Amino acid sequence: NAGVTQTPKFRVLKTGQSMTLLCAQDMNHEYMYWYRQDPGMGLRLIHYSVGEGTTAKGEVPDGYNVSRLKKQNFLLGLESAAPSQTSVYFCASTLAGTGELFFGEGSRLTVL
Amino acid sequence: SQKIEQNSEALNIQEGKTATLTCNYTNYSPAYLQWYRQDPGRGPVFLLLIRENEKEKRKERLKVTFDTTLKQSLFHITASQPADSATYLCALETGGGYQKVTFGTGTKLQVIP
Repeated sequence: NAGVTQTPKFRVLKTGQSMTLLCAQDMNHEYMYWYRQDPGMGLRLIHYSVGEGTTAKGEVPDGYNVSRLKKQNFLLGLESAAPSQTSVYFCASTLAGTGELFFGEGSRLTVL
Repeated sequence: SQKIEQNSEALNIQEGKTATLTCNYTNYSPAYLQWYRQDPGRGPVFLLLIRENEKEKRKERLKVTFDTTLKQSLFHITASQPADSATYLCALETGGGYQKVTFGTGTKLQVIP
């Protein structure tokens, strides 16, 4: 069982470049989430999705876009990366109504 | 706005003692509260969930209490071991229908042998 898989695990970008982080889960979970984690700030919710084709904004959505075209995948895009987006990004998923989140191992992004 | 506070950034305790971590929240009435463990360089791992109508929940050496009047949860690790050293995060459901989950900043626990 792979659980929640994030790719890539590490990436370095220059300011203004774009990229997409991919999250894949094989547990047939309805809900998926993207968080970012910064020192002293904890985990902050960027966007989330409660089903295929649906997305919603979290606490810090600016500068990010997401798509959930397939139930098992949740993509996080940065159209024009900024140094403030240097962070560790975590994807999580859960079965609707259960609450327990399953996390990926994280994607460390550095924007120069 | 919703605020989730965990009592301290770091907590050091002696092996064998009980560690108690605090999670306080404001401006919300969550249907449930959760605790996660996070090791350096890893994603958080779920430990326990307690619902608003439950006062206490236990799992092996872990115990969680939930006081919706005080808006507070306490997380206890009894007979603590060096392997319990990690960052512990509390999380609240902050959207209708169990959808949106918001985390506190975490408490880093160090168990000293």
